[in-house]
Amino acid sequence: EAQVTQNPRYLITVTGKKLTVTCSQNMNHEYMSWYRQDPGLGLRQIYYSMNVEVTDKGDVPEGYKVSRKEKRNFPLILESPSPNQTSLYFCASRGIQGSYNSPLHFGNGTRLTVT
Amino acid sequence: GQQVMQIPQYQHVQEGEDFTTYCNSSTTLSNIQWYKQRPGGHPVFLIQLVKSGEVKKQKRLTFQFGEAKKNSSLHITATQTTDVGTYFCAGPRSNYQLIWGAGTKLIIKP
Repeated sequence: EAQVTQNPRYLITVTGKKLTVTCSQNMNHEYMSWYRQDPGLGLRQIYYSMNVEVTDKGDVPEGYKVSRKEKRNFPLILESPSPNQTSLYFCASRGIQGSYNSPLHFGNGTRLTVT
Repeated sequence: GQQVMQIPQYQHVQEGEDFTTYCNSSTTLSNIQWYKQRPGGHPVFLIQLVKSGEVKKQKRLTFQFGEAKKNSSLHITATQTTDVGTYFCAGPRSNYQLIWGAGTKLIIKP
């Protein structure tokens, strides 16, 4: 089954304790992206990757890191989490064939709480 | 900068009533996508509109793309409980980024 898998689904941590949220897709998609979702603000892009070893900042990259060493994986790293990073996080992927943006496939989300 | 405004933020309807959400972009869009997010779920792609004035239907859902390709709407006829969720529009800001509306939450009154 074609899917984007995120782990964990829920995570509670304390300020300053490094964490990684994993994301993996099995659709051979070139493009992967991380979003955070906060009430009233919709989806805001954190980082995206156009292909292996190619990443770029989205709209809210501060406090986050990413890497794309393999096509299927795109982990999100919070080196020193702070309470303002408490949010619902989504990983998404899509192919980049064709003239127009193809649809995004989202993971099930990771609800992060930083105390 | 480029913005996509989506209204309303919430809409409460009785089951069986219609629902409409509107997206307005500050710039012309090459295409617009619509997604649905069920409560506790993740956004799921519904449709993409590409042509000026395009209208597409999926059962009780009707999607429109404006003539100037700066606005779009989603209309649901005779809402059902399965329609509950938040509906998002999104348009391309670049080859690699989408700009998202803030979403409209459809709530069915008990």
